[in-house]
Amino acid sequence: EVQLVESGGGLVQPGRSLKLSCAASGFTFSNYYMAWVRQAPKKGLEWVATISTSGSRTYYPDSVKGRFTISRDNAKSSLYLQMNSLKSEDTATYYCARHGPKLGADWYFDFWGPGTMVTVSS
Amino acid sequence: DIMLTQSPATLSVTPGESISLSCRASQSISTNLHWYQQKPNESPRVLIKYASQTISGIPSRFSGSGSGTDFTLNINRVEPEDFSVYYCQQSNSWPLTFGSGTKLEIK
Repeated sequence: EVQLVESGGGLVQPGRSLKLSCAASGFTFSNYYMAWVRQAPKKGLEWVATISTSGSRTYYPDSVKGRFTISRDNAKSSLYLQMNSLKSEDTATYYCARHGPKLGADWYFDFWGPGTMVTVSS
Repeated sequence: DIMLTQSPATLSVTPGESISLSCRASQSISTNLHWYQQKPNESPRVLIKYASQTISGIPSRFSGSGSGTDFTLNINRVEPEDFSVYYCQQSNSWPLTFGSGTKLEIK
C-alpha cells in the first residue's frame, strides 16, 4: 500500500525557515517524480514544487522560486521541502504527492499524503 | 500561466441526480486535464486523468470528457459520499495549475 506521511509543520515567524519531510513507503520511491502541493485555509490547491527521480531537475512556480527548495533522498525514501524567507501567505497545509508513473511525462498526482500544517505568524 | 475556471462554484443536488461539472482552460491544453475529489478534512484523490481516462478503484459513475479548453466531469446518480469539493488540474505546461473548485452539496 502506498503511503506518504509528512512531518515538520508548525508555527514559524515571518522571515524564518522551516523544513518539511515526507516519508514514502509501499512503492519504489526512486522510480517516481515527487511533488509538494499546498492548500491555504479554506482555499484551493496550489502546486509548489516537483523533483525528478534523481533529484537533478526541479520545478517551481514563481510564487516560491528562490525561497523554497525541494530535494530527496532515495536511500531513505524521503522527500523534503526547505522553505526560507517565509511569508504569511505561505500559511497552508502542505501535501506530499506522487506524480503518475510515466517518467517525466505524468504530471498529475496519483497519491497524496495527509498533509502537514504550516502557520507563518508573529 | 494557464488559468482554469470551474463552474459552478457550488452545486446543490439531491442524491440520485446526475450532474456535470465544468472546467474551462484559458488556452488549449489538449487532454492534459485531471480531476480530483476532496472530502472535508481529507487529502485530494484523483478521479479522472487525461480528461477521460479512468483510475483504478474509482466508481464507474464518475466519467470525464472534453479536449482543448472545455472539460466536463460527470457523476451519474450522485451518492451521499460524493458530496465534496472537486478540482481540475492542468499538466499541459508549467506551472501546473488547479481550478478553484466546485463544491457539491446536498440540497
